[in-house]
Amino acid sequence: DVLMTQTPVSLPVSLGGQVSISCRSSQSLVHSDGNTYLHWYLQKPGQSPQLLIYRVSNRFSGVPDRFSGSGSGTDFTLKISRVEPEDLGVYYCLQSTHFPNTFGAGTKLELK
Amino acid sequence: EVQLQQSGAELGKPGTSVKLSCKVSGYNIRNTYMHWVNQRPGKGLEWIGRIDPANGNTIYAEKFKSKATLTADTSSNTAYMQLSQLKSDDTAIYFCAIDYYSSYIYYWFAYWGQGTLVTVSS
Repeated sequence: DVLMTQTPVSLPVSLGGQVSISCRSSQSLVHSDGNTYLHWYLQKPGQSPQLLIYRVSNRFSGVPDRFSGSGSGTDFTLKISRVEPEDLGVYYCLQSTHFPNTFGAGTKLELK
Repeated sequence: EVQLQQSGAELGKPGTSVKLSCKVSGYNIRNTYMHWVNQRPGKGLEWIGRIDPANGNTIYAEKFKSKATLTADTSSNTAYMQLSQLKSDDTAIYFCAIDYYSSYIYYWFAYWGQGTLVTVSS
């Protein structure tokens, strides 16, 4: 199985600040079709996960441009700028290039 | 608007089975994959498997091959997951999620149900 390693586990932030979350995979996420199937989700407390970024760098409908994704191969980053209260929760990366699909262990974004 | 409505909380005894449902509105499940994901108390997300409701084809994570059975009823736009031989380790929230295709763009795990809590206890 592809191991997804997210860092940090916990990320204290001040409102208005900027943060980055790293997600590294144990093997390349480039599919045989040339696409990279790495996605980012936010799970707010008591809620279901919600899609933020699909295929590395594309924002889902309604996701503010404060969220940006980048990376390639095995190394990916989610950046959040001008953090707002509604951004707090646990962020997960997911790879759907290989079966089984696998999630990172999560990064908890919390207030300092 | 796409919505996934999952069935209510379940309390199952060890060794028994439970069957969870996930009813989709606003999107035809024939046009997508339905995934199931679990989340043990205080832990992260774990992919169980997916079903193609159009033909019933399934793919499971290895550890769930003898635990979970995925099915779908396209006439009611509903997917199901049966969990068998329940153990205390199966206590978790189980989510369904669908991929979504619109305007030539494919979105993975785009919409999620609210989750069903399964508690295994004698």
